Amino acid sequence: GAVVSQHPSWVICKSGTSVKIECRSLDFQATTMFWYRQFPKQSLMLMATSNEGSKATYEQGVEKDKFLINHASLTLSTLTVTSAHPEDSSFYICSASRDRTYGNQPQHFGDGTRLSIL
Amino acid sequence: QQQVKQSPQSLIVQKGGISIINCAYENTAFDYFPWYQQFPGKGPALLIAIRPDVSEKKEGRFTISFNKSAKQFSLHIMDSQPGDSATYFCAASMKVNNYGQNFVFGPGTRLSVLP
Repeated sequence: GAVVSQHPSWVICKSGTSVKIECRSLDFQATTMFWYRQFPKQSLMLMATSNEGSKATYEQGVEKDKFLINHASLTLSTLTVTSAHPEDSSFYICSASRDRTYGNQPQHFGDGTRLSIL
Repeated sequence: QQQVKQSPQSLIVQKGGISIINCAYENTAFDYFPWYQQFPGKGPALLIAIRPDVSEKKEGRFTISFNKSAKQFSLHIMDSQPGDSATYFCAASMKVNNYGQNFVFGPGTRLSVLP
């Protein structure tokens, strides 16, 4: 159990376009979803945390107008990179966790999206 | 106080050996400590996790040792195999509001197991 599906796994697009990445929890209700950015051989950099039905909380330095996050249901969150530029090229990973009311819950990660902006 | 330190940055072990990765934290509000394994081009996968009321947890070849007073925890991989070659992240979690939690990740350890 606890499968998180992320789509697309790889996208290449031209500079200036917007790209949407979907993150779905397939077999559990994800009260909280997280979005990370990971540079080669580096750790996970948290971009934002979103709770279902609420606005996302962005980490310091992350432009909320650039990286739009929507968590409209307990199984789906989306990250839209607006007007993407080459510096936005990276590996984006989502994760999801259950309601902690029932005890400690780990994050379950998707397989990431490799974004390349030309 | 939110930081989780992890060492070593990289580790090379011979097949069959023991791999040991150490983590340390400062904030005593952390109450859940998972370990993740990440292969290149993939998302991290939950490996094993422990709560601070337990000093050791073992699942197969993977063992977490937890020292609450020292605020340290470690991952031991017994009989290390080439297939264990990956990046390992420790993490610490604390409760936020009634149903959420925050996670802080260590910088990662790149493990290479030589055949």
